[in-house]
Amino acid sequence: AQSVAQPEDQVNVAEGNPLTVKCTYSVSGNPYLFWYVQYPNRGLQFLLKYITGDNLVKGSYGFEAEFNKSQTSFHLKKPSALVSDSALYFCAVRLNTGGFKTIFGAGTRLFVKA
Amino acid sequence: DTEVTQTPKHLVMGMTNKKSLKCEQHMGHRAMYWYKQKAKKPPELMFVYSYEKLSINESVPSRFSPECPNSSLLNLHLHALQPEDSALYLCASSLAIHQPQHFGDGTRLSIL
Repeated sequence: AQSVAQPEDQVNVAEGNPLTVKCTYSVSGNPYLFWYVQYPNRGLQFLLKYITGDNLVKGSYGFEAEFNKSQTSFHLKKPSALVSDSALYFCAVRLNTGGFKTIFGAGTRLFVKA
Repeated sequence: DTEVTQTPKHLVMGMTNKKSLKCEQHMGHRAMYWYKQKAKKPPELMFVYSYEKLSINESVPSRFSPECPNSSLLNLHLHALQPEDSALYLCASSLAIHQPQHFGDGTRLSIL
C-alpha cells in the first residue's frame, strides 16, 4: 500500500533553534514530494517540492527539505525557527504514474516557544 | 490573500436542506479538487476534475454532487447531509501533475 508517514504528532522547538519535521514515504515509482503548512482557519499553503535534481530543496519562508532516496525520506528543515512558524505541517506525495491523486501524511504540529 | 476563492466561508444547514459550495480560480489551472478536512486531520480527497471532466471520485456518498461548469469554477452541491459531514471543505487547483496545489481557505460546514 502506498503511504506517507509523519512519525511525530508534535514538534516543540525554541525560537532561534533549528527545526526538523520528519516525513517518510512508501510508494512505487518515483513520486513528486511536497510540503504544505496550514495555519488556523486557513487552507493549506505550499512550501516546497521535490521533483528531480538536487536532493536539497529550498522553499518559502526559509524552509528547506532534504530528499533521501535510500531512506525514502523528505524531512523539512529550517535553520532558525520563528514563533510565527507555529502551525500544522503536512508532507504529501503525488504519484507520477498518471492522475492527480495526492497522499497526505497525518500532519505534524510545530510549536515554537519564544 | 489566496488565489482560490471559496464561498461561503461558513455554512450551517439542516439535514433536509439543499445548499451549494462554490470555488473559483483564475490561474488557468486545469485540475480542480474538493477535499474534506476534519479538525487536526489531513485533507481527504473527494473529487478531482481534469479539464472540466470528473477524473477521480473517491467513493463519495451521492449526497455530495460535484459540478464543474467551466475551467474556472467548481461547485459542490449538498443534499440530505448527515451530522458526520460537518467539516472544513477545501477546494484546490493545480496547473499540472508535478505542480503544487493551491488551496482556498475553505468552507466550514456545520450540519444540525
